[in-house]
Amino acid sequence: AQSVTQLGSHVSVSEGALVLLRCNYSSSVPPYLFWYVQYPNQGLQLLLKYTSAATLVKGINGFEAEFKKSETSFHLTKPSAHMSDAAEYFCAVINTGGGNKLTFGTGTQLKVEL
Amino acid sequence: ETGVTQSPTHLIKTRGQQVTLRCSSQSGHNTVSWYQQALGQGPQFIFQYYREEENGRGNFPPRFSGLQFPNYSSELNVNALELDDSALYLCASSLPSGGGYNEQFFGPGTRLTVL
Repeated sequence: AQSVTQLGSHVSVSEGALVLLRCNYSSSVPPYLFWYVQYPNQGLQLLLKYTSAATLVKGINGFEAEFKKSETSFHLTKPSAHMSDAAEYFCAVINTGGGNKLTFGTGTQLKVEL
Repeated sequence: ETGVTQSPTHLIKTRGQQVTLRCSSQSGHNTVSWYQQALGQGPQFIFQYYREEENGRGNFPPRFSGLQFPNYSSELNVNALELDDSALYLCASSLPSGGGYNEQFFGPGTRLTVL
């Protein structure tokens, strides 16, 4: 079964610094990969998705992610962190042809410090 | 366009009771998925409904059941509540995926506490 692993349950960066949140996937077939953000007491918002088109995917709020098949990775980056980026981030996967069931990682809490 | 709404926002129940959570899908969406998010964890897929029928189920016991209505709204029912059922329950609506993918739009969730 497909799965994703997020390395680092907590990440802390300074405002203006690079944000790097790590996600590795395990799938026997080409997957669809996603990053979601969750602000406190809210539902999930889609940041970006990879659906086998371009390997570098740009999302909302300045975030982007690169699909690397050789490394089975889909890390999320943002060049310059903002205080408003503080939230929990989830990587998720769907197998192509496997219906619309999302399998999520355990999440990474991003803290942005002044 | 109205987004996905869920009710109630918060709920407190005692062990052994039954609970019903409700979800209204986004306009035009006929597929609804339910997820359980325990504290500090990622959401876990419970089941999905399409055209009023269950269309996939995760690793949850039968005391977790659901319904979808002709207007595509949905209910999640949990019987014989256990302490471990305490979680945020998320509903997501989408168009049918047809074997591919359609974006799921999430509601704000219902926070269930079982005492």
